[in-house]
Amino acid sequence: SQQGEEDPQALSIQEGENATMNCSYKTSINNLQWYRQNSGRGLVHLILIRSNEREKHSGRLRVTLDTSKKSSSLLITASRAADTASYFCATAPFGGFKTIFGAGTRLFVKA
Amino acid sequence: DAGITQSPRYKITETGRQVTLMCHQTWSHSYMFWYRQDLGHGLRLIYYSAAADITDKGEVPDGYVVSRSKTENFPLTLESATRSQTSVYFCASSDERGGPGTDTQYFGPGTRLTVL
Repeated sequence: SQQGEEDPQALSIQEGENATMNCSYKTSINNLQWYRQNSGRGLVHLILIRSNEREKHSGRLRVTLDTSKKSSSLLITASRAADTASYFCATAPFGGFKTIFGAGTRLFVKA
Repeated sequence: DAGITQSPRYKITETGRQVTLMCHQTWSHSYMFWYRQDLGHGLRLIYYSAAADITDKGEVPDGYVVSRSKTENFPLTLESATRSQTSVYFCASSDERGGPGTDTQYFGPGTRLTVL
């Protein structure tokens, strides 16, 4: 089973609204990363948050990490049509050696 | 700056044939990875390599072979392709200076493989 699981599986919003995606994982981690994938393309790294960090910002992106609940959220503020993509969380289990990807959240932003 | 490239981008082959997917990176990253992406499964790690001549299995290695004679290249070979290996294959590379899983992975554009 996947270490990281995103919720919801799909999300449709209007341009200008905020989009929130959640990720839950099972074991202790070194870090958690969020990636974006546009249709037919490779994954692009968005943010890496380490296990000792609680919140991180990058432009319109805000990521939170709650290690007690083994969960993370990605918030995209003031969404744009260009944000339409699939978003994946990826976890690096503590003591492990592989980054594990979830199945992703498909975000559709309507213009 | 080419970054990380994959070839071919699209490949159609028949069951039982050998297929090799190529991956090349220009950053001299120590780590390289092969993933397959299927609907409902996200990305699953096939093999990874920590350095030239050092490779290890990932989550779904059966039916695949890798080699890494040079730091910049990491080919993936399907020795006898099966229909279940129809998928999109992504190569990635990373510095991983703090060890595996500690750094950003940079992905290639993918190879869409169809096995008939």
